[in-house]
Amino acid sequence: DTAVSQTPKYLVTQMGNDKSIKCEQNLGHDTMYWYKQDSKKFLKIMFSYNNKELIINETVPNRFSPKSPDKAHLNLHINSLELGDSAVYFCASSTRYEQYFGPGTRLTVT
Amino acid sequence: AQSVTQLDSQVPVFEEAPVELRCNYSSSVSVYLFWYVQYPNQGLQLLLKYLSGSTLVKGINGFEAEFNKSQTSFHLRKPSVHISDTAEYFCAVSDRDDKIIFGKGTRLHILP
Repeated sequence: DTAVSQTPKYLVTQMGNDKSIKCEQNLGHDTMYWYKQDSKKFLKIMFSYNNKELIINETVPNRFSPKSPDKAHLNLHINSLELGDSAVYFCASSTRYEQYFGPGTRLTVT
Repeated sequence: AQSVTQLDSQVPVFEEAPVELRCNYSSSVSVYLFWYVQYPNQGLQLLLKYLSGSTLVKGINGFEAEFNKSQTSFHLRKPSVHISDTAEYFCAVSDRDDKIIFGKGTRLHILP
């Protein structure tokens, strides 16, 4: 009965590859997010969707493209991976003002 | 624009001692304030939140925080820490657009 789940948990890939991370929430929330946490633990919002509609798009390279097939899912596709993309990516969903985070996906680009 | 400053990147404290993790914010509008905890290799979990009302907010695991509007602070406190409190703690601020801004985090290190 996991509230927010992400797959995969670990992702190791080479520079230049394309990869996707999936996120699902079973809380019935309308809003979902992607965050990037770097090696210094700094957490930065990347995208936010409300009921499948993009509402927040921070300064993120075009290589990152979120897709929300329905309001329970928000996937993140990354093209042409670079070394600097190595980080932990967190998905979250929210009621108004309370966010629920997934366990994270640790992406390592070699 | 909103911002959050966590003044200490690391706080070492002995087990059973009290602890305070400091957080200051800046915002031009009314804010909502949060503390999240991240245990090793896990996602973030909400500890407590201030939306309105009483300025002293109690959260899970014995933590509490006090909203101080004049000092624009929202410090987190616990009277007696346990080894299981070892984690990264994030202060966060939001206004009405549902976007939450996180501080850089404070690592709480419990000494035996």
